[in-house]
Amino acid sequence: KNQVEQSPQSLIILEGKNCTLQCNYTVSPFSNLRWYKQDTGRGPVSLTIMTFSENTKSNGRYTATLDADTKQSSLHITASQLSDSASYICVVSERDTPLVFGKGTRLSVIA
Amino acid sequence: DAGITQSPRHKVTETGTPVTLRCHQTENHRYMYWYRQDPGHGLRLIHYSYGVKDTDKGEVSDGYSVSRSKTEDFLLTLESATSSQTSVYFCATGPIGEKLFFGSGTQLSVL
Repeated sequence: KNQVEQSPQSLIILEGKNCTLQCNYTVSPFSNLRWYKQDTGRGPVSLTIMTFSENTKSNGRYTATLDADTKQSSLHITASQLSDSASYICVVSERDTPLVFGKGTRLSVIA
Repeated sequence: DAGITQSPRHKVTETGTPVTLRCHQTENHRYMYWYRQDPGHGLRLIHYSYGVKDTDKGEVSDGYSVSRSKTEDFLLTLESATSSQTSVYFCATGPIGEKLFFGSGTQLSVL
């Protein structure tokens, strides 16, 4: 069964610090990998989307990396802000089939 | 939110009653999706549509039906609501292979 595993489940960091979230997947054949941010009570919002040939993609203070050989991705957040407190969801796509969602990492940024 | 709205935002109903949730998009996207989100699970696909009157089942479709009579509207119906269908429901849309846009969600409580 295709799966997407994220770690850690939850994370607390101080404002201004950096952090890295992990995503491992078994989806095959792989089409693309996405990271979404979901604020409490809201729908997920896309941060990045990477295809097989892309190793890294940035969106402001968010940088996603992808290693398609080891089937791992990470999301690095630089100089965290209180507004970064949210769940971060890794989503992997097979070709022409619905997406596979991870359970998310709950990030709390505290002052 | 890229022109996607869900209604209602909150709904409380009794076991055995029918419930219909509505998703409306203004971007003329071909694909539309219904997901549910529960604690301890990633977003799970209920049904999706790839065009007017063209729909297919997702991984958790039992107890749900959908209809798409117009490009902009995608309805999710619980024919006879059960307590296990208490959840947050998200509608999503977007070009295939590109980022999805999610609605703000419907919190459904079945008592």
